Amino acid sequence: AQSVTQLDSQVPVFEEAPVELRCNYSSSVSVYLFWYVQYPNQGLQLLLKYLSGSTLVKGINGFEAEFNKSQTSFHLRKPSVHISDTAEYFCAVSSQGAQKLVFGQGTRLTINP
Amino acid sequence: GAVVSQHPSWVICKSGTSVKIECRSLDFQATTMFWYRQFPKQSLMLMATSNEGSKATYEQGVEKDKFLINHASLTLSTLTVTSAHPEDSSFYICSARVLNQPQHFGDGTRLSIL
Repeated sequence: AQSVTQLDSQVPVFEEAPVELRCNYSSSVSVYLFWYVQYPNQGLQLLLKYLSGSTLVKGINGFEAEFNKSQTSFHLRKPSVHISDTAEYFCAVSSQGAQKLVFGQGTRLTINP
Repeated sequence: GAVVSQHPSWVICKSGTSVKIECRSLDFQATTMFWYRQFPKQSLMLMATSNEGSKATYEQGVEKDKFLINHASLTLSTLTVTSAHPEDSSFYICSARVLNQPQHFGDGTRLSIL
């Protein structure tokens, strides 16, 4: 079985500052990794995914994440955040070939002007 | 592409009534659809997985007679909350996927039972 831990429940940052949202996972098999963003009263939008290949994955809205197998991490980064990035961010994992996603607890990113 | 539409977005109803929520994949045929429940300030909890034309697979602890799922076509799945009570109030989100592609999510339905 897989599990996901998002180490920070809330992350406040100032506009135009860099940000890193941390995600660690646990799995005994090879995995696929995802980051989703949820704006208030909306569903989830896929930011980026790691399936295989390059460990540095670039997504939408200027976000990127790096898969680190030895540290079982998949941290999300953005070099300069904008007010519009204020949202809830979820890290998720699925084992290769499986249908289900296992979500982390979420990190609320708040951008202050 | 890969748009999932969920309807209604908000519903308020009296205790004891049944409520149906629709989930449609608008521009692709979904081999699998998922239903999640999300409590305030919490993560998504998978309720069930449904494949077109077959019975849904419910997660442990989810009452299948309470939450009826129908996946009649490759573009439509419905979740019916039967005899809803205040404790069923929540944010319900569906998602859909094709084969091994990532899940695409609807915008959710906020259900309030009075």
